[in-house]
Amino acid sequence: AQTVTQSQPEMSVQEAETVTLSCTYDTSESDYYLFWYKQPPSRQMILVIRQEAYKQQNATENRFSVNFQKAAKSFSLKISDSQLGDAAMYFCAYRTELPMEYGNKLVFGAGTILRVKS
Amino acid sequence: AAGVIQSPRHLIKEKRETATLKCYPIPRHDTVYWYQQGPGQDPQFLISFYEKMQSDKGSIPDRFSAQQFSDYHSELNMSSLELGDSALYFCASSLGDRAKTQYFGPGTRLLVL
Repeated sequence: AQTVTQSQPEMSVQEAETVTLSCTYDTSESDYYLFWYKQPPSRQMILVIRQEAYKQQNATENRFSVNFQKAAKSFSLKISDSQLGDAAMYFCAYRTELPMEYGNKLVFGAGTILRVKS
Repeated sequence: AAGVIQSPRHLIKEKRETATLKCYPIPRHDTVYWYQQGPGQDPQFLISFYEKMQSDKGSIPDRFSAQQFSDYHSELNMSSLELGDSALYFCASSLGDRAKTQYFGPGTRLLVL
């Protein structure tokens, strides 16, 4: 079974600074998707960024970028120019590319609370 | 753009009662997923449907059942409610069960007293 581990329960960053959230995962598959979801106090689940395992290029979305290391099974999220609105719980998630064989569910890590200081 | 709609948004029930949660996917989306998020926990997958057929099953209690209807909306039926069922229940949808991204609704907060 696939597992996702977020080893940082909580992180803090100063406004306008850069912070990196860590995520590792375990899988025997070669094709899969990785995601970062943001959950603000409203508890809405908001997709931040997606990475396809077959792509070597790291995904970027404005101030958000990932460092995807497939061999190391590592998938970190870098937030640049942090803003107060970035404060939230961040979940790393995994999904197989083969839903017929392994199902189509998202497997989440335990989450990292990000606090942004003004 | 239209999003996933969940109703009700909040629900309070007594132990041993039943509850029905509804999910209306994004228009044209044919796949629906249900997740349960307990306090301070990550979302846990319950069940999913693709084209009205169950496509995957997670740690869903036998007291819970779900189905997807011809208009692709889905309902999660929960019976003999327990205190531990208090949680945020998310529905997500996608276009196809191999879709890369699942789009989440706002969730239904269930409190069992």
